[in-house]
Amino acid sequence: QQQVKQSPQSLIVQKGGISIINCAYENTAFDYFPWYQQFPGKGPALLIAIRPDVSEKKEGRFTISFNKSAKQFSLHIMDSQPGDSATYFCAARVNNQGGKLIFGQGTELSVKP
Amino acid sequence: DTEVTQTPKHLVMGMTNKKSLKCEQHMGHRAMYWYKQKAKKPPELMFVYSYEKLSINESVPSRFSPECPNSSLLNLHLHALQPEDSALYLCASSLSQFRGSQYFGPGTRLTVL
Repeated sequence: QQQVKQSPQSLIVQKGGISIINCAYENTAFDYFPWYQQFPGKGPALLIAIRPDVSEKKEGRFTISFNKSAKQFSLHIMDSQPGDSATYFCAARVNNQGGKLIFGQGTELSVKP
Repeated sequence: DTEVTQTPKHLVMGMTNKKSLKCEQHMGHRAMYWYKQKAKKPPELMFVYSYEKLSINESVPSRFSPECPNSSLLNLHLHALQPEDSALYLCASSLSQFRGSQYFGPGTRLTVL
């Protein structure tokens, strides 16, 4: 199975709160897990990425948690700001299919002031 | 510098027109990608070039024709498109197919009348 299942589809968070987006996968040939942030009409921007041998990676307010045994990974946005309102995509790279990225369906985040 | 540039930003074309989309990167990346993205959906991979050779073609109709003139440039030639081809076309690049993150350009918004 090459799917990456992302939830929730949409998320509303108050300013200063924590936004949490979850992704799950089944394919063990995935070797790299990036997260992208996309504003309307713009290209996806790489936010943060993790390899499966690492359980957590933090960059500023953004943290990826990775649970290899459960085949799940999540993005936490601490102290969420209105400027974080965007669509977030998780992805997984398939190492035996030319390094293709398989994307989740996206989460539309709205941070209310 | 992690910039991928794309021209034009917007393109409107009739079904009988021929047009080209251009993508450029100067990061020394040897893998370049074309994606198509419909509204509120994740990017869909179309083509992958690795070291200037076509590596992956995701069964894209022949009315889309990619070209990689050199390691920094990627073109997508369009001919006899259909209205359902209207979408955001994204270019991305990475160190190689199997190494490094993919960095996306801002995209070309294509409308087919």
